[in-house]
This record gives sequence, C-alpha cells and structure tokens, in this order.
Amino acid sequence: AQSVTQPDIHITVSEGASLELRCNYSYGATPYLFWYVQSPGQGLQLLLKYFSGDTLVQGIKGFEAEFKRSQSSFNLRKPSVHWSDAAEYFCAVGNQGGKLIFGQGTELSVKP
Amino acid sequence: SQTIHQWPATLVQPVGSPLSLECTVEGTSNPNLYWYRQAAGRGLQLLFYSVGIGQISSEVPQNLSASRPQDRQFILSSKKLLLSDSGFYLCAWSVTGIFYEQYFGPGTRLTVT
Repeated sequence: AQSVTQPDIHITVSEGASLELRCNYSYGATPYLFWYVQSPGQGLQLLLKYFSGDTLVQGIKGFEAEFKRSQSSFNLRKPSVHWSDAAEYFCAVGNQGGKLIFGQGTELSVKP
Repeated sequence: SQTIHQWPATLVQPVGSPLSLECTVEGTSNPNLYWYRQAAGRGLQLLFYSVGIGQISSEVPQNLSASRPQDRQFILSSKKLLLSDSGFYLCAWSVTGIFYEQYFGPGTRLTVT
C-alpha cells in the first residue's frame, strides 16, 4: 500500500537558517509528489509538485524540493527561513486510485 | 481565478445533533470535490469525493454522508453527531480528470460536546 512518512514531527530553526523537511514515500510506480503548507486554523496551500522531469522542483515562497528515486524521498528545502514560514508542512503522494495520501505533517517553529 | 469557500468557519454542536457543512467552488466547472477530516495532531483523512453531480464515493464507513446537489456545491452531513466527529473539516477541489493536484478551502472547526 502507498504511504508517506514524515520522520520529524516538530522542527525548530532560527530565522535566516536553512531548512530541510524530510519526506519518504512508498509507491510502486513513478509517484506524483506534493508539498502543502498549513498555517494554524487555515486550509492547505500547495507549495510545489513533482510529476516528472527535472528532479529539483521550485515552488512558491522560495521553497524547493528534490525527488530522489533511489532513496524514495522528496525533501523540502529553503535556504533562509523567515518567521512567517512557521506552519505545518505536509508531504503527499498521488496513488493509483487518483487520491492523495498525506504524511502526518511536520510542525515548523522559527526562533527569532 | 478559482476560489473555494467553506462555512461555517467554526461550529460547536452537542452529541446527537445533526450536521451540515457546506463547500462551494467558484471559477471552474465540473470540478472534482473532496471532504477531508483532520484530527488534532494527525494527518488528513479522505472522507468522500465526487466527480460529478450526485456522484459520491465514500472512503471511510462512518455516520457521515456527503451530497453534491449542484456542480460546485458539496455538502457534508450527519444525522446524529458523535464525540469522535470533532475535528477540522477541509473541502478541496481539483480540475476534472486531474485528481492529484488539489486545492483546499479554509476549513471548518467542528467541536462536538
């Protein structure tokens, strides 16, 4: 069965520091991969997506993610974190049934 | 541009009372529509999805139901709420035939007391 694992439940980084959020997936075929961000009490906003092609994808708000098939990973990165990036981040994979399977999320806190 | 609305934003209901949450999408036609539930500290659970008017697929057996009376309207209902129905309910849409790339509404916080 398809699944998504986000190993880090909570991460704290200092403002201006770099960020990497981990995501591992289990899927037999070439996956469709997504990162969403959720501010407290809000809906989810699509940050970026990977369908095929270049394994390094750029998203909104300065985020990028790299698809590594050999590691079954799709980690989210940002070179310099801003206080407004504090939120919960969800990785998701599109499965054969056309549905999104979400990870449990990683909560990001930003220290001033 | 497309927008998605949900109401109410928050709701407090007693156990055993009925429920009706509404979701509407603007700026697109014949979207795929989805209802998710997000329990505290957990990921998203797909409850229902719809590819067209009157077409509802249920993912998880429970005391909730969904209906799609109009092309861009999706309603989540219950006849009798349980404590375990508390959570954050999110509606989402995607373009016809493209199921993966989903766009979410602002959500409804439901507390069952």
